[in-house]
Amino acid sequence: SQQGEEDPQALSIQEGENATMNCSYKTSINNLQWYRQNSGRGLVHLILIRSNEREKHSGRLRVTLDTSKKSSSLLITASRAADTASYFCATVMDTGRRALTFGSGTRLQVQP
Amino acid sequence: DAGVIQSPRHEVTEMGQEVTLRCKPISGHDYLFWYRQTMMRGLELLIYFNNNVPIDDSGMPEDRFSAKMPNASFSTLKIQPSEPRDSAVYFCASNPAGASYNEQFFGPGTRLTVL
Repeated sequence: SQQGEEDPQALSIQEGENATMNCSYKTSINNLQWYRQNSGRGLVHLILIRSNEREKHSGRLRVTLDTSKKSSSLLITASRAADTASYFCATVMDTGRRALTFGSGTRLQVQP
Repeated sequence: DAGVIQSPRHEVTEMGQEVTLRCKPISGHDYLFWYRQTMMRGLELLIYFNNNVPIDDSGMPEDRFSAKMPNASFSTLKIQPSEPRDSAVYFCASNPAGASYNEQFFGPGTRLTVL
């Protein structure tokens, strides 16, 4: 079952704008990860943030984590048409269970 | 490294037939996961293995589904008999051992259509 919800479900922006996606989850976690899925393809790992971290950067990506609210956000700055994809948050619980529990995903469309 | 390899990429079968999906994880990875993606349920875990041993099969829908990992470089997911509601994209993923619970590496998926 899905860990939680992501919002928005769909987002359309112009190239050069920033895109922000939010994720909520339900259980205590070891870490939270963000993945990208291009249409008809597999998932590609983008960034991982551990439960004791609050913010992390990787290139044009910035992730925040608020464990008290059980929520995370992914910011993509200066978006490009190539960023068009679906983005999923996924959590690893702190129980020792290794599997990912995914959110519902945000479909991002970047208009050139 | 070739990444996680899945076969076939597409499978179309008729209700009642047996379907076998295959996965070759990245060499040296100790964990292998099977996930399923549908419009209704999103991405969900079916089962995962550690060192070829099933650890958590709580996501396997019912007895029609079975998974095996006979060795470190090969796993199968079998559906017998298949039903139209099994239509989905099935992903295999792997990751290395270690306490860091790091990223998983996904294969391209097998798109299954059961008519």
